Amino acid sequence: NAGVTQTPKFRILKIGQSMTLQCTQDMNHNYMYWYRQDPGMGLKLIYYSVGAGITDKGEVPNGYNVSRSTTEDFPLRLELAAPSQTSVYFCASSYPRRTGGAGTDTQYFGPGTRLTVL
Amino acid sequence: GDSVTQMEGPVTLSEEAFLTINCTYTATGYPSLFWYVQYPGEGLQLLLKATKADDKGSNKGFEATYRKETTSFHLEKGSVQVSDSAVYFCALSGVNNNDMRFGAGTRLTVKP
Repeated sequence: NAGVTQTPKFRILKIGQSMTLQCTQDMNHNYMYWYRQDPGMGLKLIYYSVGAGITDKGEVPNGYNVSRSTTEDFPLRLELAAPSQTSVYFCASSYPRRTGGAGTDTQYFGPGTRLTVL
Repeated sequence: GDSVTQMEGPVTLSEEAFLTINCTYTATGYPSLFWYVQYPGEGLQLLLKATKADDKGSNKGFEATYRKETTSFHLEKGSVQVSDSAVYFCALSGVNNNDMRFGAGTRLTVKP
């Protein structure tokens, strides 16, 4: 299994450009997540999805869009890139929590996309 | 809402020293608790987890016990190695939402 794959690994954008960060998982996980990690900081949740056709906003959704048309793929779209979006972006996937209630089981992370907006 | 608070870093230790990184949480019910590790230039990977009170998670010499009475999940290792240098994140999956709540991370540096 490849696990969670992300493309591209690196990208430099100019202010106002748009791009899509790709994320694919081959573990048949229901749940998928997008995080950003600023230098020396923790993770901030951008968007997540509990299944195909279902997406929800996280802590920092402004300036981003997502879609989930298949179980495997969860692309993140940046419209009108701004310097504040310079960050490392991680995609993750998981099964639902197994011990009752809502929640997620172990999340598996991709290697990240390092984005710079100049 | 659910949250995790972990010890601020950075932490610098000599090889073979004892490691403790404190983590406390706020959540309703019985959340699942996790420790993740991030090596330079990589994504996070699971180090260990515990899904119910008094469970002990362990892996690669690291341990953490789910303490409901003190709402804690402290990470310990008896003898650290240079290869343990990384950033460690405590995390929680609550019973009322489908996301993972992460602590701010603690950077550990182990010197020979």
